[in-house]
Amino acid sequence: GAVVSQHPSWVICKSGTSVKIECRSLDFQATTMFWYRQFPKQSLMLMATSNEGSKATYEQGVEKDKFLINHASLTLSTLTVTSAHPEDSSFYICSAFPSGRNTGELFFGEGSRLTVL
Amino acid sequence: LAKTTQPISMDSYEGQEVNITCSHNNIATNDYITWYQQFPSQGPRFIIQGYKTKVTNEVASLFIPADRKSSTLSLPRVSLSDTAVYYCLVGFPLYNAGNMLTFGGGTRLMVKP
Repeated sequence: GAVVSQHPSWVICKSGTSVKIECRSLDFQATTMFWYRQFPKQSLMLMATSNEGSKATYEQGVEKDKFLINHASLTLSTLTVTSAHPEDSSFYICSAFPSGRNTGELFFGEGSRLTVL
Repeated sequence: LAKTTQPISMDSYEGQEVNITCSHNNIATNDYITWYQQFPSQGPRFIIQGYKTKVTNEVASLFIPADRKSSTLSLPRVSLSDTAVYYCLVGFPLYNAGNMLTFGGGTRLMVKP
């Protein structure tokens, strides 16, 4: 199966600092990756679609200047939470469909838990 | 977008069969039905996908009636390790299909000893 890996798995930062989360597809290429956010006891909320070589597409209500997404290669997308605040504390999960494989099966990373103090 | 409705939670005991039903009344002709499992502090994991009738794999079965307005995920002989949240997604399996990316509330399954 396809493997998606995230790093770091958890991070604690001070309010006002920026945090970068990496999402890598280990054994497949992904022209598109997706970033989700999940608060405790809630479902996953799609934040944005990351497109290799072009700008990300953000869902309504998600601040693009706060959540910077870069998809520099076919196997790496990064999410940077800028000037993080306690309300940004959440579980961030990335996912991808392998390029050229239209089965509808999304492969997810392990998730990254962000805690902003 | 095809909206899905699932029970918020279910309880079961080890060894029992568990059936989780998902309603999707406005499913489109080209839509597939996909189920994911999520453990606490982990990303979701694909369980099974189907279009119509019955699909079975090594971990579950998916039953889809002729009208496709609902589907039932069946987990045979559950164990404690099946305690998780189960999500039903409906959409067309293209990488940019919005439905396939939209998670509903999910069903929190608790398996008791």
